[in-house]
Amino acid sequence: DSGVTQTPKHLITATGQRVTLRCSPRSGDLSVYWYQQSLDQGLQFLIQYYNGEERAKGNILERFSAQQFPDLHSELNLSSLELGDSALYFCASSSGGDYGYTFGSGTRLTVV
Amino acid sequence: AQSVAQPEDQVNVAEGNPLTVKCTYSVSGNPYLFWYVQYPNRGLQFLLKYITGDNLVKGSYGFEAEFNKSQTSFHLKKPSALVSDSALYFCAVRDPYGNNRLAFGKGNQVVVIP
Repeated sequence: DSGVTQTPKHLITATGQRVTLRCSPRSGDLSVYWYQQSLDQGLQFLIQYYNGEERAKGNILERFSAQQFPDLHSELNLSSLELGDSALYFCASSSGGDYGYTFGSGTRLTVV
Repeated sequence: AQSVAQPEDQVNVAEGNPLTVKCTYSVSGNPYLFWYVQYPNRGLQFLLKYITGDNLVKGSYGFEAEFNKSQTSFHLKKPSALVSDSALYFCAVRDPYGNNRLAFGKGNQVVVIP
């Protein structure tokens, strides 16, 4: 157990639908990062939050949004889903400094 | 922007032979470099990091990495590969101008042949 919890582990949904992925960071970590991993695109950075505030945006589609709550957990919302959104979505947390990231085990999203 | 490159898609090595996974970096300033490993259907796990100090960094599971400033490389190595080392390996660099987020390479699939 890495200390970063992601739910659900698997999600199957239809095109056009909306889903919410949840992440609880490791205790004490203020930063949360979301990544999308697909076979053809590798590991793509989506968005970063620090203590409730958005800090950086990467290759995140307008159909996707995220937030970090006062208890530091984060949610990634994906709407108007397309087949190409099928991927593994990872959350990672960090305390800053030079400690790198701790990753969750991911949510596998399948859009049918 | 800071970036890393992993030039090989797949590395095949026989069990018991030395394993090397290559990574080169491009940074402004001092590099903070990381290696992560991903086993099937799992998240990325931290292996080792270079921040400062000795150029040879030792990490988890018998892995080590050599920082080479003149060649801007940070290759991951293991003296004797195991079948259980078969996984996807990612090199990453910290971007101090990008809110310290990590920029990952595309990953290298390592296949250790029994």
